[in-house]
Amino acid sequence: DAGVIQSPRHEVTEMGQEVTLRCKPISGHNSLFWYRQTMMRGLELLIYFNNNVPIDDSGMPEDRFSAKMPNASFSTLKIQPSEPRDSAVYFCASSILPDTEAFFGQGTRLTVV
Amino acid sequence: ELKVEQNPLFLSMQEGKNYTIYCNYSTTSDRLYWYRQDPGKSLESLFVLLSNGAVKQEGRLMASLDTKARLSTLHITAAVHDLSATYFCAGSNDYKLSFGAGTTVTVRA
Repeated sequence: DAGVIQSPRHEVTEMGQEVTLRCKPISGHNSLFWYRQTMMRGLELLIYFNNNVPIDDSGMPEDRFSAKMPNASFSTLKIQPSEPRDSAVYFCASSILPDTEAFFGQGTRLTVV
Repeated sequence: ELKVEQNPLFLSMQEGKNYTIYCNYSTTSDRLYWYRQDPGKSLESLFVLLSNGAVKQEGRLMASLDTKARLSTLHITAAVHDLSATYFCAGSNDYKLSFGAGTTVTVRA
């Protein structure tokens, strides 16, 4: 398996624009997680899905953030409108079950100018 | 909410010497994970510790878990340059991982 695949790897956008990050989990994994990593706050869990259903979105910073998982092989994280403080590395991770070893994608480095 | 604390946050190691990274967590954690992250890269899973007294070893790294003390340690034996990275521990509770702040390790000659 190719592992968790994220796209794009890098994204530079202007403040106010919509940004969509994409993730393909490992086949057969039922749980998917979106994390954000910054120097100031470390790794934060934004949302996690189990069997395509959002279970816990308490980490989503505000209404500008939304995430979907329309099927078992695809998820998106959308920021609209984007702000400079959203600049971070966003990781997607998947695991067989929610409470098992999570495998991380390569991340998307987002810069909002 | 599960809180995870690592120390030290920065560790300068001399090649050939032994060191330990500590990971304390605040409430019951179902499992304890150790990850490695190289600069600009993703997180790589190193160890999964499932129960009290669990010990796992891979090369120069050995991880252990004491659930009664709510403590996990990552021991590095005879440090070498390619162990330079940031090491994270993470606890799991209520089906989600909570990460420590990470320990940035630099190994010098």
